[in-house]
Amino acid sequence: EVQLVESGGGLVQPGRSLKLSCAASGFTFSNYYMAWVRQAPTKGLEWVASITNSGGSTYYRDSVKGRFTISRDNAKSTLYLQMDSLRSEDTATYYCTRDYRRVFDYWGQGVMVTVSS
Amino acid sequence: DVQMTQSPSYLAASPGESVSISCKASKSISNNLAWYQEKPGKANKLLIHSGSTLQSGTPSRFSGSGSGTDFTLTIRSLEFEDFAVYYCQQYNEYPRTFGGGTKLELK
Repeated sequence: EVQLVESGGGLVQPGRSLKLSCAASGFTFSNYYMAWVRQAPTKGLEWVASITNSGGSTYYRDSVKGRFTISRDNAKSTLYLQMDSLRSEDTATYYCTRDYRRVFDYWGQGVMVTVSS
Repeated sequence: DVQMTQSPSYLAASPGESVSISCKASKSISNNLAWYQEKPGKANKLLIHSGSTLQSGTPSRFSGSGSGTDFTLTIRSLEFEDFAVYYCQQYNEYPRTFGGGTKLELK
């Protein structure tokens, strides 16, 4: 059974950093692209970033480019999202997703990030 | 960016009825469209990809159609478990973009 479990969320002040993790199991992690998708309170879904299976290429939405870094450790079957220079508009639930042939075929339950002073 | 416009935003229906949700792209995305279901307390679920291909495990009462810019998700003979929020998403190009969602409520 595919499982994606996010962790690392919480309350953080504007301008500070936070690192999310996603522990994957139930599939060969190193074979799949992965992604982060977020959802602000009462809003819709928004793709944040994707990473190839090797980690050699990454893709970001413009609003997080230069502030967020997606990475992975295939030996630990873990996906990361380093979030720097956080803004209030980054407040959202962040979902780890498996990116299979460009669709998000499995999702985690999400982790909440609140950016507020 | 490709804008995805879903309608309606809210839809009220009864079990046994059929409903359709529209999703329009701001430019052609071929058939690179997926539909997802969101339910409280559950992980989001991929229902359909490639515009009309049911993901493994998706009940046959769900169907998708369309290509280019206009797409439709149809649910026939609604069951209680189908009342949820539905999103379309294009994966023709980056950034991947989602529709605003359609909340299907019990009438």
